[in-house]
Amino acid sequence: DVQMTQSPSYLAASPGESVSISCKASKSINTYLAWYQEKPGKTNKLLIYSGSTLQSGTPSRFSGSGSGTDFTLTIRSLEPEDFAVYYCQQHNEYPLTFGSGTKLEIK
Amino acid sequence: EVQLQQSGPEVGRPGSSVKISCKASGYTFTDYVMNWVKQSPGQGLEWIGWIDPEYGSTDYAEKFKKKATLTADTSSSTAYIQLSSLTSEDTATYFCARVAVATGFDYWGQGVMVTVSS
Repeated sequence: DVQMTQSPSYLAASPGESVSISCKASKSINTYLAWYQEKPGKTNKLLIYSGSTLQSGTPSRFSGSGSGTDFTLTIRSLEPEDFAVYYCQQHNEYPLTFGSGTKLEIK
Repeated sequence: EVQLQQSGPEVGRPGSSVKISCKASGYTFTDYVMNWVKQSPGQGLEWIGWIDPEYGSTDYAEKFKKKATLTADTSSSTAYIQLSSLTSEDTATYFCARVAVATGFDYWGQGVMVTVSS
């Protein structure tokens, strides 16, 4: 199985700042990496797939990069609604596997 | 509007089974594979398996092969997961999630909390 190592597990930032979250795969997953946002009372939201493709409706301040084993989610100019938990997931092969999550909190 | 509406919370006795539903609307149910994901309390996400509603074909993560059974009823556009031989390790929230080809899970259900308690 592909192990996904996500870091940091916790991140504190202020609105307007930019942050980055890392996700590393235990072997190459080409560009098949998705990012999700989890917020209380809302269904999980697909933000980015295939490493860098924004899902319809995802604000342009979100961006994804990387290929092979190293990937990054960057959120520029944080908005209040961006404070949430973020997960990466490889969708290159079964079994699908997720990172352990990053909780982004307001500083 | 695509929606995946899951059934309500469940309480199961150790050794028993529970069955959770996920009713799809806003799209053609048989056009997309449905996946199921487990989230244990305070933990991350684990993929359980998928079902292709059109053909009834399934695939499971190894650790769930004897635990979960995925089915689908095309007449009601509803996917199901049955969890058997419940133990405390099965206490978790279970999500259904639609997958589109090479895009990840584009729509999720709201999740169902399953509590295993005697």
